Amino acid sequence: AQKVTQAQTEISVVEKEDVTLDCVYETRDTTYYLFWYKQPPSGELVFLIRRNSFDEQNEISGRYSWNFQKSTSSFNFTITASQVVDSAVYFCALSTRRRALTFGSGTRLQVQP
Amino acid sequence: GAGVSQSPSNKVTEKGKDVELRCDPISGHTALYWYRQSLGQGLEFLIYFQGNSAPDKSGLPSDRFSAERTGGSVSTLTIQRTQQEDSAVYLCASSPLRDTGELFFGEGSRLTVL
Repeated sequence: AQKVTQAQTEISVVEKEDVTLDCVYETRDTTYYLFWYKQPPSGELVFLIRRNSFDEQNEISGRYSWNFQKSTSSFNFTITASQVVDSAVYFCALSTRRRALTFGSGTRLQVQP
Repeated sequence: GAGVSQSPSNKVTEKGKDVELRCDPISGHTALYWYRQSLGQGLEFLIYFQGNSAPDKSGLPSDRFSAERTGGSVSTLTIQRTQQEDSAVYLCASSPLRDTGELFFGEGSRLTVL
């Protein structure tokens, strides 16, 4: 089975707060890729990051950081000092050689001014 | 060049009619995907084309749904005898890499079945 779980349906924070979006995945494959996508109110999905299963090094890009832990099958996404423009639905996704990209149900982030 | 282009952007149809949704992927991208997003929901995988390989149709919800990709480029998703539950945004994405590439999404075709 290939599955992505985003348990947080909706999160609301006040601007400048840090926020972490959780993602837990399931796959029997040893080679896989994990992704995060952002869907702003305009609707078009925007790619944020891709990690492969052999690279557990955490990554930071500006205010964004990702924590990949194979031991807990998690790929969490943290936004530091959130801004109103970060308001969007964020999707975690998983792909393997055998299955196309599988998305989680998404987490809606609302950043209040 | 241009991104993934989908048409129509909006389609309203009556229950029982057939509809065709078109996707023009980014030139040179070998992988093409169709997803469906119902209001407030996540993305549901429908079908995946990779080069000349047989498509992965495992996500198509019923035999009323079909898709083809001509010449390894443009794809058409066809829904026959539409039902109200088919109402959703249908998203197309393409990728330059087999299996593992970043997906570039179009803006979607919003289908409303009355």
